[in-house]
Amino acid sequence: DTGVSQDPRHKITKRGQNVTFRCDPISEHNRLYWYRQTLGQGPEFLTYFQNEAQLEKSRLLSDRFSAERPKGSFSTLEIQRTEQGDSAMYLCASSDTGDPRLGYTFGSGTRLTVV
Amino acid sequence: SQKIEQNSEALNIQEGKTATLTCNYTNYSPAYLQWYRQDPGRGPVFLLLIRENEKEKRKERLKVTFDTTLKQSLFHITASQPADSATYLCALDSGGYQKVTFGTGTKLQVIP
Repeated sequence: DTGVSQDPRHKITKRGQNVTFRCDPISEHNRLYWYRQTLGQGPEFLTYFQNEAQLEKSRLLSDRFSAERPKGSFSTLEIQRTEQGDSAMYLCASSDTGDPRLGYTFGSGTRLTVV
Repeated sequence: SQKIEQNSEALNIQEGKTATLTCNYTNYSPAYLQWYRQDPGRGPVFLLLIRENEKEKRKERLKVTFDTTLKQSLFHITASQPADSATYLCALDSGGYQKVTFGTGTKLQVIP
């Protein structure tokens, strides 16, 4: 297992376009999280899944954002009608609910630039 | 409202010295407190976790303390090296398998 994979690493899009990011977590992890990080800030929580169930969504997540984890494995995060304020690093993490001592394992992120 | 504060100013220290980073929180009752390291353009990497009933945790050159009365955690790196230069994030976990909430991070620069 090579850890958490995110694709693409970078995405430049024009304002108003839709974008979709993919996250492949560590295979035995049943929890998957999406965070957003802007320059000089810590990661901000967006949403998380336990298997295929989406258990919590942040109020930061407007109606333009949707996330899925259809089979409890990989997840996608879609942003519709992108705005310049959506420019950020989108981070995915996974964890094993059985042992909090192991923390979260993050991917390298997808950097989104909206022009 | 809940708040997690880390020193937003960068911390510059000389190689070989001990670096001490602070994490303060308000309106929180964390069950666990975690520390992560983040390098530019990369995702955070988990370093260690301390529970609310633990005062201190050590891992190699790292030491974390957790004072739930002061609502503060201190993160120490002893015998610091230039390779320790990174941003360090604290994160609070309320337990019950909820999400972790991150502070803003402190950038550490170890000068050779």
